[in-house]
Amino acid sequence: KAGVTQTPRYLIKTRGQQVTLSCSPISGHRSVSWYQQTPGQGLQFLFEYFSETQRNKGNFPGRFSGRQFSNSRSEMNVSTLELGDSALYLCASSFDSGGALKETQYFGPGTRLLVL
Amino acid sequence: AQKVTQAQTEISVVEKEDVTLDCVYETRDTTYYLFWYKQPPSGELVFLIRRNSFDEQNEISGRYSWNFQKSTSSFNFTITASQVVDSAVYFCALRPPAGKLTFGKGITLSVRP
Repeated sequence: KAGVTQTPRYLIKTRGQQVTLSCSPISGHRSVSWYQQTPGQGLQFLFEYFSETQRNKGNFPGRFSGRQFSNSRSEMNVSTLELGDSALYLCASSFDSGGALKETQYFGPGTRLLVL
Repeated sequence: AQKVTQAQTEISVVEKEDVTLDCVYETRDTTYYLFWYKQPPSGELVFLIRRNSFDEQNEISGRYSWNFQKSTSSFNFTITASQVVDSAVYFCALRPPAGKLTFGKGITLSVRP
């Protein structure tokens, strides 16, 4: 099976712009989560989607949003970019058979965003 | 609130040495899962192991072994006979019933030839 794929892998934007990142989960996986990784804050949870509905949300401002499509693919959007948004954005998928707690999340290679 | 503490930030060993990575967690939940992930320089987080809160059996997989002790809220990871390819950042993570995965700050392991 192909793993989690994320596009683009690298992105350079300027302050004030917006950006959309894409994630394709492992085939058959229905849950997609997004994380932000920075040297200072480490890995922080952004949000989780299951069956096109946001199931969990982390403590990020409303500039960060996401959605999930019927084929489980997910996108996250960051509007009005700030310098502090420079980070590695990781997407993870899990099968989620209904027992959400136990499902292991498998991660993609990430999108490295640089805001200038 | 959940918290995962990886007190060690960087560890450097010589190849073939054994190394233990510590993980201490805090949660009020009685049901939860613990994970270890490895992040090589490429950036992708690689899943290593999952353990639920009701299973305190230690586990060995090749050169890797895990010691889960609920009494001390610890889930330590040992690499036996380390190799250069083990060089990476290792994360311990906790997932409570609410489903959000909480990570520790990670431990950078450098294995020198």
